[in-house]
Amino acid sequence: GQQLNQSPQSMFIQEGEDVSMNCTSSSIFNTWLWYKQDPGEGPVLLIALYKAGELTSNGRLTAQFGITRKDSFLNISASIPSDVGIYFCAGPEYGNQFYFGTGTSLTVIP
Amino acid sequence: DAGITQSPRYKITETGRQVTLMCHQTWSHSYMFWYRQDLGHGLRLIYYSAAADITDKGEVPDGYVVSRSKTENFPLTLESATRSQTSVYFCASSGTSAQETQYFGPGTRLLVL
Repeated sequence: GQQLNQSPQSMFIQEGEDVSMNCTSSSIFNTWLWYKQDPGEGPVLLIALYKAGELTSNGRLTAQFGITRKDSFLNISASIPSDVGIYFCAGPEYGNQFYFGTGTSLTVIP
Repeated sequence: DAGITQSPRYKITETGRQVTLMCHQTWSHSYMFWYRQDLGHGLRLIYYSAAADITDKGEVPDGYVVSRSKTENFPLTLESATRSQTSVYFCASSGTSAQETQYFGPGTRLLVL
């Protein structure tokens, strides 16, 4: 099946620092989604991207749909303690399969 | 304003027992999904349903059974639980297409002894 590789697997950063993470796939996607999962909860959608090259922001979060359509990037500026959690990329393959990356675990040190 | 709910939130059972995890959504979404989340594997699709009475296998369906007699409910049954099915199970739903954004329930934490 499809593989979505996320990097880094985990990050430990100081409060106030910026964060960058990315996701790559082995095939082309037409949609990229970024989710965040708080401890003990289900994933919640942060940003959706629908076009190659698209750059979309949601508060301190900015995500980009890669030009090759095989990757996507998520940036968080000026991190705060509540940014802690696991960030997942996801995308639908042709048909009905929806794939998720293995996640990037973010720890913000106050 | 319930959205999507799962029950139970926590379950401990023994090997060989049958367990059913419930999922209910109030949005009238056509699509519903079951995932399991394990360390190192991320979220893996078990089964999904495009509409009432239509279900299909995902990436890891073995050992699981689903049904969808009503649009709003999508129960997942482990017919004979095994230790390898210890996991966190998430139900999700999306509108009229599997390509649309999925909305997740809070999860069920299952421990099989």
